[in-house]
Amino acid sequence: DIVMTQSPDSLAVSLGGRATINCKSSQSVLYSSNNKNYLAWYQQKPGQPPKLLIYWASTREFGVSDRFSGSGSGTDFTLTISRLQAEDVAVYYCQQYYSDPPYTFGQGTKLEIK
Amino acid sequence: EVQLVEFGGGLVQPGGSLRLSCAASGFTFSSYAMNWVRQAPGKGLQWVSGINSRGVATYYAGSVKGRFTISRDNSKNTLHLEMSSLRVDDTAVYYCAKDRSTAGYGDLDYWGQGTLVTVSS
Repeated sequence: DIVMTQSPDSLAVSLGGRATINCKSSQSVLYSSNNKNYLAWYQQKPGQPPKLLIYWASTREFGVSDRFSGSGSGTDFTLTISRLQAEDVAVYYCQQYYSDPPYTFGQGTKLEIK
Repeated sequence: EVQLVEFGGGLVQPGGSLRLSCAASGFTFSSYAMNWVRQAPGKGLQWVSGINSRGVATYYAGSVKGRFTISRDNSKNTLHLEMSSLRVDDTAVYYCAKDRSTAGYGDLDYWGQGTLVTVSS
């Protein structure tokens, strides 16, 4: 199975600042035939189910703020949250969906306000 | 509006069985692959099982293979997870989640609120 490793496990950022969360896969999730990275990012607030933010590593889901952006390719990916707001406090997960299941998630990164 | 409502969770003894269901509405259920993802108390997300749109291809995490069975009834817009030989470490909130695309890639755009399964003596 592909192992997803996020860093850091937690971070605290000032309001209006920028948060950067990294995700590394144990093997490439780039599918050469369509040049797409099979990597998604989710946000989970306390007591709520996860919410899809980004898919194909960098495509924002409909309705998601443009303060959220995804980048990277192959095995290394980044979720960036700019102009941090209080409502962004949550746990963020990356997920690979390369090839057939099992799909795997990173361990999660807890984002707090400094 | 897409809605996914899970039910069937509860307290069960180790070695017992339980059947979870997920009622779907607001989209063409038969066109999308569906999944179960669980979250143990205070822990991260773990993908558990998936099924393609027609119900002919099923997939499982290694930790549940041979114990859990996923199925769907497209005539009733319902997803099921039959769980047997339950262990204490199966204790979690179980979420039903829909594939974003009819192509069934595996990114999940709608999730239910979850149903809690507690395995304890």
